Amino acid sequence: AQTVTQSQPEMSVQEAETVTLSCTYDTSESNYYLFWYKQPPSRQMILVIRQEAYKQQNATENRFSVNFQKAAKSFSLKISDSQLGDTAMYFCAFVSYNQGGKLIFGQGTELSVKP
Amino acid sequence: SQTIHQWPATLVQPVGSPLSLECTVEGTSNPNLYWYRQAAGRGLQLLFYSIGIDQISSEVPQNLSASRPQDRQFILSSKKLLLSDSGFYLCAWSVGQLPGANVLTFGAGSRLTVL
Repeated sequence: AQTVTQSQPEMSVQEAETVTLSCTYDTSESNYYLFWYKQPPSRQMILVIRQEAYKQQNATENRFSVNFQKAAKSFSLKISDSQLGDTAMYFCAFVSYNQGGKLIFGQGTELSVKP
Repeated sequence: SQTIHQWPATLVQPVGSPLSLECTVEGTSNPNLYWYRQAAGRGLQLLFYSIGIDQISSEVPQNLSASRPQDRQFILSSKKLLLSDSGFYLCAWSVGQLPGANVLTFGAGSRLTVL
């Protein structure tokens, strides 16, 4: 069975600094997608970034980037120049290519950005 | 543009009472639709998904059910709520065909408290 593990229940970072959130997953599939979703206090789930497993290049979206290590089954999220609005719960998620939309989520990392 | 509406936002129900949560999507046709549950602010668990009218799959055994009476409407129901049904319920949609089917857009969620 596929699993997603986020080993950091809580993290904090000073405004303008960089923080990295960890995620590991377990699968025997070779084609899949990985995602980071953000859930602010409003509880709206917002897609932050996604990575397709067949792409070697790490995805980036403005201040957000990932370090995708397929062999190690690791998918960490780096937030640069942290802003107060980045305070949220962050979820790592996995879906195999032929399981459209049936995402498997990690337990989340609660990130606090401090002024 | 596509939008997803979910209601009610908050619901407090006694044990044994019925439940109906609704979700509608605008601006697209034949979406894949999903119901997720989030317990205690942590990871999301997929409850139901639907690839079309009257095509609904259940992921976990429970006393909940789902229906899709119209193409862009997805309803989560229960005849008799249990205490363990308390949680935050999220509806989501994705485009019908892979790879787009793997990218979910979530509604604002419904917080259910069963007393």
